[in-house]
Amino acid sequence: NAGVTQTPKFQVLKTGQSMTLQCAQDMNHEYMSWYRQDPGMGLRLIHYSVGAGITDQGEVPNGYNVSRSTTEDFPLRLLSAAPSQTSVYFCASSPEGVWGSTEAFFGQGTRLTVV
Amino acid sequence: GDSVTQMEGPVTLSEEAFLTINCTYTATGYPSLFWYVQYPGEGLQLLLKATKADDKGSNKGFEATYRKETTSFHLEKGSVQVSDSAVYFCALARAGGGADGLTFGKGTHLIIQP
Repeated sequence: NAGVTQTPKFQVLKTGQSMTLQCAQDMNHEYMSWYRQDPGMGLRLIHYSVGAGITDQGEVPNGYNVSRSTTEDFPLRLLSAAPSQTSVYFCASSPEGVWGSTEAFFGQGTRLTVV
Repeated sequence: GDSVTQMEGPVTLSEEAFLTINCTYTATGYPSLFWYVQYPGEGLQLLLKATKADDKGSNKGFEATYRKETTSFHLEKGSVQVSDSAVYFCALARAGGGADGLTFGKGTHLIIQP
């Protein structure tokens, strides 16, 4: 059971480039989300999804797009990378519709540097 | 809005010392409370949780009690080991659930010296 898989693990982009961070889970979880982790800031929610075809914005959505065409996959797109998007990105999933009732499962993260 | 405040550290202790990491929260209603741990180079893992007032979550020798009157969820361990070195995050999920995920504190970096 792979759990939540993120690719790539590391990425360096030039300012203005676009890219997609991949996230896949094999646990048939309905709820998925993307967080960014910055020093001294903890984790902040970027976008989330409550099921295939349904997405919504979190706390810091600007500069990012998401889509959810299948239950398994929840890619995060950077449209035009900026140095402020240098961060560690985590994807998470949850098996139930209520985050508080059970644990969230996290991927190992993608460390992104924008130069 | 909801928020979580925790001591940021780094917190440096000797092996077998007693550990307390403070966590307080601001939220409406009765949120669920969590401690997540992040070991070097890894994602976050659930350490323990409590879903209602006075509940005590425990795992791997760690404990935390949900205190509604002080809006706190302090993490404790009686005797820490070098392997406990990690970043610890306090988090909450809104009362009644919520698809918009968890609210995290800034994390506490714990360093245990042999």
